[in-house]
Amino acid sequence: QVQLVQSGAEMKKPGASVKVSCKASGYTFTNYGISWVRQAPGQGLEWMGWISAYKGDTNYAQKLQGRVTMTTDTSTNTAYMELRSLRSDDTAVYYCARGGAFAEYWGQGTLVTVSS
Amino acid sequence: DIQMTQSPSSLSASVGDRVTITCRASQGISNYLAWYQQKPGKVPQLLIYAASTLQSGVPSRFSGSGSGTDFTLTISSLQPEDVATYHCQKYNSAPFTFGPGTKVDIK
Repeated sequence: QVQLVQSGAEMKKPGASVKVSCKASGYTFTNYGISWVRQAPGQGLEWMGWISAYKGDTNYAQKLQGRVTMTTDTSTNTAYMELRSLRSDDTAVYYCARGGAFAEYWGQGTLVTVSS
Repeated sequence: DIQMTQSPSSLSASVGDRVTITCRASQGISNYLAWYQQKPGKVPQLLIYAASTLQSGVPSRFSGSGSGTDFTLTISSLQPEDVATYHCQKYNSAPFTFGPGTKVDIK
């Protein structure tokens, strides 16, 4: 069965970087894109961007351009999302999901807390 | 960028009621719309894609309709397990923006 398993919770100081991993199993990794979505406490879902696991092409939300990098490692079927220059309003649960458009399968989420 | 709105932002209904949630795009998106259900403290789950195609395993009391700019999600007979926030998402072209969500609970 399709599974996306994310790395554990992180606590970071403002200005630091965080890198969240998402290990996929149960399907051919390079056949699908990986989307990243975040949800701040008590808020809605925010689309962060998407990466093609086959070619590595990316498309990022404009508000995160320059601070976010999405990558994949096809040797380990793992996707990564790195967010730099963290601010308090980056505190959120970060999800990876299979699919470049709508998201059929989701990871369990990774809580990233940014606090001094 | 295309903006997505949802109405109402929250609703309370009785078990067995018919519930309708609206999602509106600021520009036409054909039928490139998905609906997700997110139960409290849980991961979002895909309910519907292509505006009206039910994801495998989703109960038939859920249905979607619409095209262009106006879409609806209908729960034909609300059940206690349907307490959740419902999100729409457009995916005709990036950015694949979500609506702000509609919280549904039981009266």
